[in-house]
Amino acid sequence: KNQVEQSPQSLIILEGKNCTLQCNYTVSPFSNLRWYKQDTGRGPVSLTIMTFSENTKSNGRYTATLDADTKQSSLHITASQLSDSASYICVVSANNDMRFGAGTRLTVKP
Amino acid sequence: DVKVTQSSRYLVKRTGEKVFLECVQDMDHENMFWYRQDPGLGLRLIYFSYDVKMKEKGDIPEGYSVSREKKERFSLILESASTNQTSMYLCASSFLFRGQPQHFGDGTRLSIL
Repeated sequence: KNQVEQSPQSLIILEGKNCTLQCNYTVSPFSNLRWYKQDTGRGPVSLTIMTFSENTKSNGRYTATLDADTKQSSLHITASQLSDSASYICVVSANNDMRFGAGTRLTVKP
Repeated sequence: DVKVTQSSRYLVKRTGEKVFLECVQDMDHENMFWYRQDPGLGLRLIYFSYDVKMKEKGDIPEGYSVSREKKERFSLILESASTNQTSMYLCASSFLFRGQPQHFGDGTRLSIL
């Protein structure tokens, strides 16, 4: 069983709408959590990184939250744009080990 | 900006061939990584290197080897390619292993026929 579970697997929204992607993890002991954006045919690009003491981190229209007690994170995208269409990957680090979620495929339609 | 360059975007090879995937980073990073990415499975670590000539096995090293003769270059070798190694291969680098975002290349889509 993957130690990092993302939901939904895929999501379609209309341009301008908001959306929230979820990441639940069992990785322990927790070190940090990162969200990456991966455009089709490109490598992942880091959006945010949060440590145990941080419960929210923003990067423009992207806001990540972390609840280390429930081991859940979310990525909220505000006022979506067509360029937000991509896969979003949650990565949880524990000591020298990193675990990747399978990603959520987001499609933004005009 | 950090640049991680993978030598090929697409590669087609035959079963049994020895295949080399090359990766170069330009930021003097200590750590370099090779992953494979398959639908529904996420990225899985094949090998990583924390210094020149140093390497560590990741989660799925079987059928692969690596070489790091220079700090900026990390090569992935498929000793005898098989069809189940058809995948997207991603190289990454980072200054510190922990607490730092990894910088990824754009990937090599490898098909083994």
